[in-house]
Amino acid sequence: LAKTTQPISMDSYEGQEVNITCSHNNIATNDYITWYQQFPSQGPRFIIQGYKTKVTNEVASLFIPADRKSSTLSLPRVSLSDTAVYYCLVAPNQAGTALIFGKGTTLSVSS
Amino acid sequence: SAVISQKPSRDICQRGTSLTIQCQVDSQVTMMFWYRQQPGQSLTLIATANQGSEATYESGFVIDKFPISRPNLTFSTLTVSNMSPEDSSIYLCSARGGRGETQYFGPGTRLLVL
Repeated sequence: LAKTTQPISMDSYEGQEVNITCSHNNIATNDYITWYQQFPSQGPRFIIQGYKTKVTNEVASLFIPADRKSSTLSLPRVSLSDTAVYYCLVAPNQAGTALIFGKGTTLSVSS
Repeated sequence: SAVISQKPSRDICQRGTSLTIQCQVDSQVTMMFWYRQQPGQSLTLIATANQGSEATYESGFVIDKFPISRPNLTFSTLTVSNMSPEDSSIYLCSARGGRGETQYFGPGTRLLVL
């Protein structure tokens, strides 16, 4: 499985856009990039998944350059409730494959 | 999407005892998994719960310590056996419907061993 590297922590203020970049230099051809969010005392929650270029949903955008060796999760206009740990995962999209979690990025949003 | 519930949500246990955690999914799923998350740490995969056969354990985890059952497509149990304070952690159940489907997580069971 491809190893991912992301910042340990980030700080932001309400209303700002937050971009969290994840490095995955040895990503394989059949790997997808997935981001999860985890609040304290809860299980991780799926945010977004992509293979290449840009993906957008109602929560976030995911930017993936052509070489796919990195990806950036973009959270527009964050609020205090976006304070959480964000995990970048790289894995093939196969039913039998469990997600393997790295360290994650702790995002702290202040007013 | 799949909704996953776990029982108990938390427990305090004495060392040397065992605790069984139940995981129920609201729909049939192909795969079920168990993770452990120690305080302030990321998630670690314990095992894949296989229906009708023995679970597949990750390195560092053994069946005698963490026996797992999966009698059908919506239910699984994880037992933490002969507990010690080092087993204090959050145990999370996870499920995936199939190829191309999202992996979902339960709320976790917070275990404290005294």
